[in-house]
Amino acid sequence: RKEVEQDPGPFNVPEGATVAFNCTYSNSASQSFFWYRQDCRKEPKLLMSVYSSGNEDGRFTAQLNRASQYISLLIRDSKLSDSATYLCVVNRAEGFKTIFGAGTRLFVKA
Amino acid sequence: EAGVAQSPRYKIIEKRQSVAFWCNPISGHATLYWYQQILGQGPKLLIQFQNNGVVDDSQLPKDRFSAERLKGVDSTLKIQPAKLEDSAVYLCASSRQGANEAFFGQGTRLTVV
Repeated sequence: RKEVEQDPGPFNVPEGATVAFNCTYSNSASQSFFWYRQDCRKEPKLLMSVYSSGNEDGRFTAQLNRASQYISLLIRDSKLSDSATYLCVVNRAEGFKTIFGAGTRLFVKA
Repeated sequence: EAGVAQSPRYKIIEKRQSVAFWCNPISGHATLYWYQQILGQGPKLLIQFQNNGVVDDSQLPKDRFSAERLKGVDSTLKIQPAKLEDSAVYLCASSRQGANEAFFGQGTRLTVV
């Protein structure tokens, strides 16, 4: 079993739709969690950190469930520009000692 | 603020040849990482430096891969000899010491034929 697992998708949604991605992790000692976005043939970029209390950044909401060891990302009112691969990232220790998931591909169509 | 610089952007080599990649991290970032990203997969950490010391190289295939960061700034990653399965994007990233965010370079796309 991989340490960080994601549904690879692809998710094909129309503009304006709400879409949710889940990610599970196996190491209960994991300390911090992130969602990164990676456009086609580009480098990963931080989308948002994920906190136990849940956090929101505009149309994006991230949730962490430590008991069940999963992380979610909700995108509301999808835009064409949201089309990308979303990488779940789990940090084992202080600093940035990370495990990346394989990513979930999202296509938003007009 | 300048980002993480990598070169070359693309490289095509034959199997059994050698290749080297270069990375210049963001100024002031003590931690530097090399990742390998195979098509359709997430980035896999190869090696992590803190200044010029190695923090983690547990997933680096040491029989063929080597990396150095001699002065605690720039870094090079070398593959010798290359295999077909080394075809991937090699990403360099850097972060401030203890920070929870890393910044990635654009990567070097390696094709081994």
